[in-house]
Amino acid sequence: KNEVEQSPQNLTAQEGEFITINCSYSVGISALHWLQQHPGGGIVSLFMLSSGKKKHGRLIATINIQEKHSSLHITASHPRDSAVYICAVSLFSGGGADGLTFGKGTHLIIQP
Amino acid sequence: GAVVSQHPSRVICKSGTSVKIECRSLDFQATTMFWYRQFPKQSLMLMATSNEGSKATYEQGVEKDKFLINHASLTLSTLTVTSAHPEDSSFYICSARDLRLAGGGNEQFFGPGTRLTVL
Repeated sequence: KNEVEQSPQNLTAQEGEFITINCSYSVGISALHWLQQHPGGGIVSLFMLSSGKKKHGRLIATINIQEKHSSLHITASHPRDSAVYICAVSLFSGGGADGLTFGKGTHLIIQP
Repeated sequence: GAVVSQHPSRVICKSGTSVKIECRSLDFQATTMFWYRQFPKQSLMLMATSNEGSKATYEQGVEKDKFLINHASLTLSTLTVTSAHPEDSSFYICSARDLRLAGGGNEQFFGPGTRLTVL
């Protein structure tokens, strides 16, 4: 069974700060996902990555397969970035489709 | 592109009734749809995996006779909560993927979710 651990669980920061959220997992995966969940519950997929680094606007996601670790960074944070950020992994499969295993999420609050 | 819709977004029902939740992929064909639920203050948990035209695969602890899943077409999957009870109150969210995409279609596209309250 794969465990997905996120840290920190809660993070409050000032607008403009550089934010880092960490995720570690215990078994081999086919891909790691970073998701954003707003108070209403809706989920937006931010990144899916299996190696290296991806960047989209102020968001950067990195993954180290050997260390089974990923980070999500937010540069120049803004109050609208306030949300729950969730790390999720999909496992290696034999060609089938696996559902995701989720971390508990990081509740981020950016204060103006 | 890659939009997934869910209906209804919110439902309140009496204990013992059945509730159907629809999940539709609007602009792509979903070979696989997943159903998740999230209890308050907890992480999302996979309930079942549904492949078009075949029976759903349920996760351990999820009653297949209580949570009926039908994936009759490449754009629609339904989850029916039968004889709902207050403990079934939760946030139900679906996601969809197309395995035929390059890279094995690992990317999942999420619906907006359905908040079920059973009185």
